Amino acid sequence: GAVVSQHPSRVICKSGTSVKIECRSLDFQATTMFWYRQFPKQSLMLMATSNEGSKATYEQGVEKDKFLINHASLTLSTLTVTSAHPEDSSFYICSARGASGRTDTQYFGPGTRLTVL
Amino acid sequence: KQEVTQIPAALSVPEGENLVLNCSFTDSAIYNLQWFRQDPGKGLTSLLLIQSSQREQTSGRLNASLDKSSGRSTLYIAASQPGDSATYLCAVRRAGANSKLTFGKGITLSVRP
Repeated sequence: GAVVSQHPSRVICKSGTSVKIECRSLDFQATTMFWYRQFPKQSLMLMATSNEGSKATYEQGVEKDKFLINHASLTLSTLTVTSAHPEDSSFYICSARGASGRTDTQYFGPGTRLTVL
Repeated sequence: KQEVTQIPAALSVPEGENLVLNCSFTDSAIYNLQWFRQDPGKGLTSLLLIQSSQREQTSGRLNASLDKSSGRSTLYIAASQPGDSATYLCAVRRAGANSKLTFGKGITLSVRP
């Protein structure tokens, strides 16, 4: 199956700093990328959807100025958590859906564990 | 609003047992349904995808069925193994280019040796 990578896999930062998470589709072009967060023992909560070259569409209740999403190319999307606080600590997972034959299946990255002290 | 339900939340079975995981959804106007596996602290691995026009998909010991009219899907695991222990999530997608997946909360499966 298709491979989606995330970097870093784990990050610990101080409150007030910004953290950038990268999501890459390694063997296909991702026309649409999704960012989720997951709390312990909970399902995935969609934060935003982004198409390459367009502004991301945020879900209700997600602050777009706090969670900056950039989908600059067909293989890379980034999520920047600005001025992180302890309540932002969570497991962030990106997902990619491709073009031309790969438009149906959504592939997920391995996730990034963010801990804000 | 689409709601996806997976019951029970947890299941423990002895090794070798055949088992069925259930998923139900409220809006039958779906584009496809996907089953995922998630190991603790890891991302999601896609197991099977069923298009709305299909009735089932098979991969190895896994078989997923879809009954769109009744809003149900099942994931059948044959001859379960301890390595099958994980959380299994069901997700449905509505039609549309930017349509998103709606996830159930998952079923945490434990297969005892």
